[in-house]
Formats: sequence, C-alpha cells, structure tokens
Amino acid sequence: DIQLTQSPSSLSASVGDRVTITCRASLTIANYVNWYQQKPGTAPKLLISGASSLQSGVPSRFTGSGFGTEFTLTISGLQPEDFAAYYCQQSYRAPRTFGQGTKVDIK
Amino acid sequence: QVQLVQSGAEVKKPGASVKVSCKTSGYTFSMFGFSWVRQAPGQGLEWMGWISPYNNNTNYAQKFQGRVIMTADTSTGTAFLDLRSLTSDDTAVYYCAREHLKHHWLDPWGQGTLVTVSS
Repeated sequence: DIQLTQSPSSLSASVGDRVTITCRASLTIANYVNWYQQKPGTAPKLLISGASSLQSGVPSRFTGSGFGTEFTLTISGLQPEDFAAYYCQQSYRAPRTFGQGTKVDIK
Repeated sequence: QVQLVQSGAEVKKPGASVKVSCKTSGYTFSMFGFSWVRQAPGQGLEWMGWISPYNNNTNYAQKFQGRVIMTADTSTGTAFLDLRSLTSDDTAVYYCAREHLKHHWLDPWGQGTLVTVSS
C-alpha cells in the first residue's frame, strides 16, 4: 500500500498567517493527490484535486503543489473559517490511502 | 445539485452486520463510482473500498476483504455498504463519497452514518 505522511500533525496559527502542510508519499504517484478539509461534525470537503486544481467555489487563498512524492497545501492569509482538519489522499492506486491529517487551530 | 443522503445511525451488537445506504440525486448515477470511507472517534479517514455502478466492479481494502460487500442499485440511484462480523473497533462514522471514475477524487460526500458496536 502507498503510505502518505502528513506534517505537521497539528499546528496553531493566527488569522492572516500563511500555513503550509506537507504530504509525502512512500513512492512516486505523479500528481494523483487530493486535499480535503473537514470541520468538526461534518463530512470532508474536496478542496484540491490532481495536486493543484482548485475546486469550484474554493477560495483562491488555498493552493496545492507538488509532483512525484512531495506535495504541499498552502493557505495564504488564514481566515476564521479555515480552522479545521486537512487530509491528503492519493488516488494513484487502490487502496486510495489518506494521510493521517493535520489539525489547524487558533493560536 | 448533486446530493448524497445516507441512512440513519445504527447500534449493533458484536458479531452482527450493518447495512448503510447512500441515496443520490442530481446526476447520472452510473457515470461515477463510490468510495466508502470511515472515521473512528477522534481518528483520521480510512478508505474501505470502491464500487463502480457502471459495471459493478469493486475493489476492497485488504483489511476488509471477506467482511464487506459494496453494491449499487441503478434503478434507485442508491449505493450500499454491508459490513459483517462487527466488533467494537468498527464503531465509526461511515461516509459514502462520489468518486470520479478516471481520477478518483471524492466529491461530494454523504453526511455520514454513525455505527456504534456495543454489547
């Protein structure tokens, strides 16, 4: 199975901060990485597909990048509604594994 | 508007089975697959498997092989997850998610179904 390692597992940040979350794959997966946001008590929401394609309706402060084994999700100018958990997922091969998640909370 | 609406919460005893449904609307059912993902309390997301309603192909995570069955009813636009031989470790929220057939991203997700396994 392809392992995804997210870092950090949690972080504290302030409104307006720039935040970067990293996702490393155990083998090369081209650009088959997707990013999801999950707020407490709700289902995950797709933010970015194919490593860098922003989904319709997602604010442009979210950007994704990377190829091969290393991927990043950056939030430029953190907003109050961005405090949540973030997960990467590889869709290169089944089983379509998730990273362990990164919880972003308020400093 | 694409919607996935899941069945309600379940409480089961160890050893029992549970069947969770995921009713869709707003798109052509057979044009997308479904993944089932679960989340134990306070934990991360765990991919369980996938089904294509187009041809009923399935792919289950090895961890659940022999204990899970995923089906899809094209006449009602509903996907189903059957999980057998439940233990307390199966206590979790179970999500269905529509899966792009080629690129396999998951969007949107159902609201989740809490399954509690307790004696």
